[in-house]
Amino acid sequence: QQQVKQSPQSLIVQKGGISIINCAYENTAFDYFPWYQQFPGKGPALLIAIRPDVSEKKEGRFTISFNKSAKQFSLHIMDSQPGDSATYFCAAGSGGGTSYGKLTFGQGTILTVHP
Amino acid sequence: IAGITQAPTSQILAAGRRMTLRCTQDMRHNAMYWYRQDLGLGLRLIHYSNTAGTTGKGEVPDGYSVSRANTDDFPLTLASAVPSQTSVYFCASSEGTSGRNEQFFGPGTRLTVL
Repeated sequence: QQQVKQSPQSLIVQKGGISIINCAYENTAFDYFPWYQQFPGKGPALLIAIRPDVSEKKEGRFTISFNKSAKQFSLHIMDSQPGDSATYFCAAGSGGGTSYGKLTFGQGTILTVHP
Repeated sequence: IAGITQAPTSQILAAGRRMTLRCTQDMRHNAMYWYRQDLGLGLRLIHYSNTAGTTGKGEVPDGYSVSRANTDDFPLTLASAVPSQTSVYFCASSEGTSGRNEQFFGPGTRLTVL
């Protein structure tokens, strides 16, 4: 059972454009929502994360928007650059309950930014 | 070198053979995890360990076993490999056991079962 659904599966953006990746979750016990970035041949690495007490978090060109009532969150990459080309995973975790200690990942989005 | 190491980098394995994927971390993290990555399915948790001496099942544990004899090592064993276990396997660790902790990933092992 996939508890975190991510879309789109792939995304092509021109340099300077905005990349948007969306995720939806089901388990209301989730209270931590990170995004991981993975370059080819490498393991994923934490990019940015948010907790549900805020609706938005921004770090440089990367912004997470969070909608608790809709159980959705998204990653926005402003001024996308070719170096941003990678696979992006959303995830959800919890500090307690049945999901304690584990992250549930989305299916991944392959982002390609053309020069 | 701080971080997580995995071995081998890649392996081609005949079906029915036994295989152990190795994972070592030098960050003294309490929790460790094994994931498999398949296109369109993302990262799926196979097994995890919150501390040395304890292990737990993840989302897709069948056909895999793990052990955690000490803090640093967390090997994943396929007792009798099948083609559906062809995947890229990632080991990860986190300082704490809460789901809010950042997970650090190794470089992965690409496994092909024929």
